Amino acid sequence: DSGVTQTPKHLITATGQRVTLRCSPRSGDLSVYWYQQSLDQGLQFLIQYYNGEERAKGNILERFSAQQFPDLHSELNLSSLELGDSALYFCASGAGPRQASPLHFGNGTRLTVT
Amino acid sequence: GESVGLHLPTLSVQEGDNSIINCAYSNSASDYFIWYKQESGKGPQFIIDIRSNMDKRQGQRVTVLLNKTVKHLSLQIAATQPGDSAVYFCATVAGSQGNLIFGKGTKLSVKP
Repeated sequence: DSGVTQTPKHLITATGQRVTLRCSPRSGDLSVYWYQQSLDQGLQFLIQYYNGEERAKGNILERFSAQQFPDLHSELNLSSLELGDSALYFCASGAGPRQASPLHFGNGTRLTVT
Repeated sequence: GESVGLHLPTLSVQEGDNSIINCAYSNSASDYFIWYKQESGKGPQFIIDIRSNMDKRQGQRVTVLLNKTVKHLSLQIAATQPGDSAVYFCATVAGSQGNLIFGKGTKLSVKP
């Protein structure tokens, strides 16, 4: 058990809708990362928050946004959903701000857009 | 652009044999390298990492080798067990502000 909790495990929704994915980091970790995993693209880095502030951005679409709250949990909001957004979304946490350290991943949220 | 790739998408080995999973990276500024294991239905799990000032690091039954000259990284698993069956990802970071870039993964299957 990594100590990172993601909810929900599965999400099925229709195109054009908006969903929120939630992540609680491992106790003591200040960084939260979001990744998208699809069959043909592997693990794609979306965004990182460190102690409540955005720290780094990857290939995150403008339709997607995230935030980290004072209790360090994070939410990833996906809006105007398209079929191509169907994927596994992983949250990971780390102790410090740098990505050059082992991250602890949750078990993901599987999003299906129909 | 920057890329991290694995040489083989699948690898099948006999239980008890050693496994070698290879990875190539393109960014010569990469200075941190890490291997993750992902079992079906789970998130990636840290296996071992290595920084660019080293060329070899050993863990429990695993060894990571780094060849910066040819930008190549490998993961060796000794005495492979059925529980080692999973997808293995390499990933790299370049610099203190770099993002972790993942390769596409090698699926390791262990035959009993």
